[in-house]
Amino acid sequence: DVKVTQSSRYLVKRTGEKVFLECVQDMDHENMFWYRQDPGLGLRLIYFSYDVKMKEKGDIPEGYSVSREKKERFSLILESASTNQTSMYLCASRPQGGETQYFGPGTRLLVL
Amino acid sequence: GESVGLHLPTLSVQEGDNSIINCAYSNSASDYFIWYKQESGKGPQFIIDIRSNMDKRQGQRVTVLLNKTVKHLSLQIAATQPGDSAVYFCAENYGGSQGNLIFGKGTKLSVKP
Repeated sequence: DVKVTQSSRYLVKRTGEKVFLECVQDMDHENMFWYRQDPGLGLRLIYFSYDVKMKEKGDIPEGYSVSREKKERFSLILESASTNQTSMYLCASRPQGGETQYFGPGTRLLVL
Repeated sequence: GESVGLHLPTLSVQEGDNSIINCAYSNSASDYFIWYKQESGKGPQFIIDIRSNMDKRQGQRVTVLLNKTVKHLSLQIAATQPGDSAVYFCAENYGGSQGNLIFGKGTKLSVKP
């Protein structure tokens, strides 16, 4: 079974803090994704990565950055957290040549 | 989590009945479709997928139907159980292995015992 894990289930941060969300997958997948999920808006793609050290902007990259130093790990960084970044953050991975994405359990972030 | 279910269409069914959840997709070039289930407080879980060269695919207690003419996808759950209560959403892909999924907003299924 594919396993995608996220470092925290719940996080509370203050406005202006730098926030790191970590995602690890154990299936040697080349592709990894970060989404945020908000009521009424569904899943929106923030960033994705096709390979180590490679990253591509998704639909809503503003206010975020990412890091992929190792194949199994994809980090989402909020350089200076703001209250409108309060959301559920979901990481997913996908094998090369595949189309199905497999999701982690999510991190619920509250920015005060 | 719980807030995922807010503002979503809701389908309420009796335990043991069959459920049908519908999804309209956006791109006529999409050739791969997935249904996900998301329970409260958890990440989306893959249920079943279908390619555009098929119009029906069956899994265990679930069936996906694809109508390309009207760009419509449905998920049928047989003998719905309380454990089926969740948000269900579809996703489409039109870029092959280089594409990214486009997700629907979801339907909340509530199963009454």
